[in-house]
Amino acid sequence: KAGVTQTPRYLIKTRGQQVTLSCSPISGHRSVSWYQQTPGQGLQFLFEYFSETQRNKGNFPGRFSGRQFSNSRSEMNVSTLELGDSALYLCASSLHYAGAGNTEAFFGQGTRLTVV
Amino acid sequence: GQQVMQIPQYQHVQEGEDFTTYCNSSTTLSNIQWYKQRPGGHPVFLIQLVKSGEVKKQKRLTFQFGEAKKNSSLHITATQTTDVGTYFCAATDSWGKLQFGAGTQVVVTP
Repeated sequence: KAGVTQTPRYLIKTRGQQVTLSCSPISGHRSVSWYQQTPGQGLQFLFEYFSETQRNKGNFPGRFSGRQFSNSRSEMNVSTLELGDSALYLCASSLHYAGAGNTEAFFGQGTRLTVV
Repeated sequence: GQQVMQIPQYQHVQEGEDFTTYCNSSTTLSNIQWYKQRPGGHPVFLIQLVKSGEVKKQKRLTFQFGEAKKNSSLHITATQTTDVGTYFCAATDSWGKLQFGAGTQVVVTP
């Protein structure tokens, strides 16, 4: 079956702009989580959605938001971009939400965001 | 929520040698997962450990969950160049978030 698909793969934006990233999970998976990966900070949890509801949110400012649609596809939005937002944004899909037990996460290839 | 600490942060290994990376938590974990991320790639699930003292093997990789379920280790024998990458442990914290350790970056010297 098809894996997790993230679009776009690469993105260059200017400070102050906003950006929307998309994630299509594996068919049948209802949980989608987003992570920010930077060389110095590792994988930082952004949020998790399950059945269109945000189950958890990480310690990121309100400029970072997300949503999930009825088909489990998810988007995350970053408004008023800052230079420090440059990172690899990874989406992971799971059959169940984290904490439910079998939560093996399948990651997409990521979106490399560069803010200039 | 809890944090999982990984050591070492970097590991340089000669091809053919063994090495171990560790994951520690101050709180009891319900389970622990291990992932591998190749350079330029994305994290790929390797294994999940659930039971106290559990040991699982995948070819040259041996995963162990501590008796107190507060630590875990990944041991690789006879390291090969294909083992290059960053190994992450991950655990669900008390808030239900899947949190990742900082990772151990493995470099293999031929």
